[in-house]
Amino acid sequence: GNSVTQMEGPVTLSEEAFLTINCTYTATGYPSLFWYVQYPGEGLQLLLKATKADDKGSNKGFEATYRKETTSFHLEKGSVQVSDSAVYFCALVGAQGGSEKLVFGKGTKLTVNP
Amino acid sequence: EAGVTQFPSHSVIEKGQTVTLRCDPISGHDNLYWYRRVMGKEIKFLLHFVKESKQDESGMPNNRFLAERTGGTYSTLKVQPAELEDSGVYFCASSPDRVGEQYFGPGTRLTVT
Repeated sequence: GNSVTQMEGPVTLSEEAFLTINCTYTATGYPSLFWYVQYPGEGLQLLLKATKADDKGSNKGFEATYRKETTSFHLEKGSVQVSDSAVYFCALVGAQGGSEKLVFGKGTKLTVNP
Repeated sequence: EAGVTQFPSHSVIEKGQTVTLRCDPISGHDNLYWYRRVMGKEIKFLLHFVKESKQDESGMPNNRFLAERTGGTYSTLKVQPAELEDSGVYFCASSPDRVGEQYFGPGTRLTVT
């Protein structure tokens, strides 16, 4: 079945540092890929997405490129801020059995210190 | 536009008791999903409603869990009787169509003692 593997945290960075959170997937067919973020005390929010190979999703300075050849969707940001502290989830959707259910990775907790 | 709401935000119950979680999706969203995250593990799919019909309930762990969506509006998820391993955060999401973005609620944190 479909699965997502993302780097385990926690990750602690200083403000303005470069961020990479690795995500790889296993899926049949051509899934859509997502990064969700959960800020403290809040629900999950869609951060960015990509629906086909070589697509780049971007939002709030974060980027991720859908790499079919390496089955990866790594999240990057050039300069993190304290407000980026949150838990980040990589996820995919593949049409199995007619239900577009999301399959998530375990989440990576990011803490950014001033 | 109001987002997805969930009630309660936190519930603490004893093993063997019953708990009912509620989810109000975004108005007009026919698709409603339940997920849960057990401590330290992945967020896992439980089930998917299209309007009032269960489209996919392959993720429901056992028959102690009962989900309903009467009238195709809000949904409830009942756990009866609750066990210790049911502790976790239960998320609800809704979507206007099956390929669209899923909008998540803040979650209900369930603690079974």
